[in-house]
Amino acid sequence: DIQMTQSPSTLSASIGDRVTITCRASQSISSWLAWYQQKPGKAPKVLIHKASSLESGVPSRFSGSGSGTEFTLTISSLQPDDFATYYCQQYTSYPLTFGGGTKVEVK
Amino acid sequence: QVQLQESGPGLVKPSETLSLTCTVSGVSMRSYYWSWIRQAPGKGLEWIGDVYYDGITNYNPSLKSRVTISLDTSRNQISLKLSPVTAADTADYYCANTLGIDIGGFDFWGQGALVTVSS
Repeated sequence: DIQMTQSPSTLSASIGDRVTITCRASQSISSWLAWYQQKPGKAPKVLIHKASSLESGVPSRFSGSGSGTEFTLTISSLQPDDFATYYCQQYTSYPLTFGGGTKVEVK
Repeated sequence: QVQLQESGPGLVKPSETLSLTCTVSGVSMRSYYWSWIRQAPGKGLEWIGDVYYDGITNYNPSLKSRVTISLDTSRNQISLKLSPVTAADTADYYCANTLGIDIGGFDFWGQGALVTVSS
């Protein structure tokens, strides 16, 4: 199985901050990585696929980068709607696996 | 508008069978893999398995011995059976679709169904 490790597990930030979340894969996954946002009581919502391709309708303050084993999700200027938990997920081999999540909370 | 809707009992007794159905609307079931994903309370996401429209399945090895996923294209439904269950299977269960390995992540998700395993 490919293990996905996210850091940090919790991040405290303020409105307007630049936020960066890291996801590391236990082996190369090329660019086959997606990022999701999940709010309490809701299903995850895909933000980015193929490591850096923004899903339609997702604000441009979100961006993704990386390839191989190291990836980042960046929020350029944190907005009130962005306080949530973020997950990375690899889709290059079975079993499909997710990172443990990063909760972005109010500082 | 693509919609996925999970349904099934919210309470299951230990050692019994968890059965859920996901009803799909607004998209053809063909050309997609249909997954079940779960999330224990306060925990992260765990992929359970998927089924392609031709009926071929893939399962998480950690659950493979207890899981069956199938689909009924005539009813636009995907089903999940997990047996026998324990308290550790208490979770929100989601269905979601993807175009497949090396193609895409999970595009659309259902709202989730909370299943509690308790006597």
